Amino acid sequence: DTAVSQTPKYLVTQMGNDKSIKCEQNLGHDTMYWYKQDSKKFLKIMFSYNNKELIINETVPNRFSPKSPDKAHLNLHINSLELGDSAVYFCASSQPGGRGYPAINYGYTFGSGTRLTVV
Amino acid sequence: AQSVTQLGSHVSVSEGALVLLRCNYSSSVPPYLFWYVQYPNQGLQLLLKYTTGATLVKGINGFEAEFKKSETSFHLTKPSAHMSDAAEYFCAVSFAGGYQKVTFGTGTKLQVIP
Repeated sequence: DTAVSQTPKYLVTQMGNDKSIKCEQNLGHDTMYWYKQDSKKFLKIMFSYNNKELIINETVPNRFSPKSPDKAHLNLHINSLELGDSAVYFCASSQPGGRGYPAINYGYTFGSGTRLTVV
Repeated sequence: AQSVTQLGSHVSVSEGALVLLRCNYSSSVPPYLFWYVQYPNQGLQLLLKYTTGATLVKGINGFEAEFKKSETSFHLTKPSAHMSDAAEYFCAVSFAGGYQKVTFGTGTKLQVIP
């Protein structure tokens, strides 16, 4: 029973291609996130959705487009892949708090990551 | 703006020795502080967290951390290192209210020497 699952685990693709990464959580959480971890292990938030609504959109190229068909799923589509997009992408979720906000004090539950390599 | 600084990107300890991983935070409001552990080729796992109340918090695998407001620190310790503790450790900060994100430090890689 994987709590936050991402597919695929590994993705190797050529520059210029379009690819998607899928994420699903079965924890009943309302809020989901995408983080990018670069080669130096630095983690940077990209997007967050709360109950299918985009709530955090950091400075990310518009080639990256998240989609949340329902609160249990958050997918990441990347157009025109570039070498610099090579990284590990992590999906995460957090418990619902009061008034529709995420309960940040409980921390995140992370998926196991998708290692994207652009060649 | 909130941030965390982890001192030392690599820390080596002998098996059975004290583990001390340093984290200092910057936040204009009372922070929530977290430590996460990442084993090779895996996602991050929450080790422990401080939100309010007792400043010494205990987590999984024998780790603990103490919130010191006067020093703006949240250092992670374990009395006796085990080989299985070898991993990357991330300190993180957030705070209450609204749609708050968690900001991560740059990580500290812990090596345990037999």
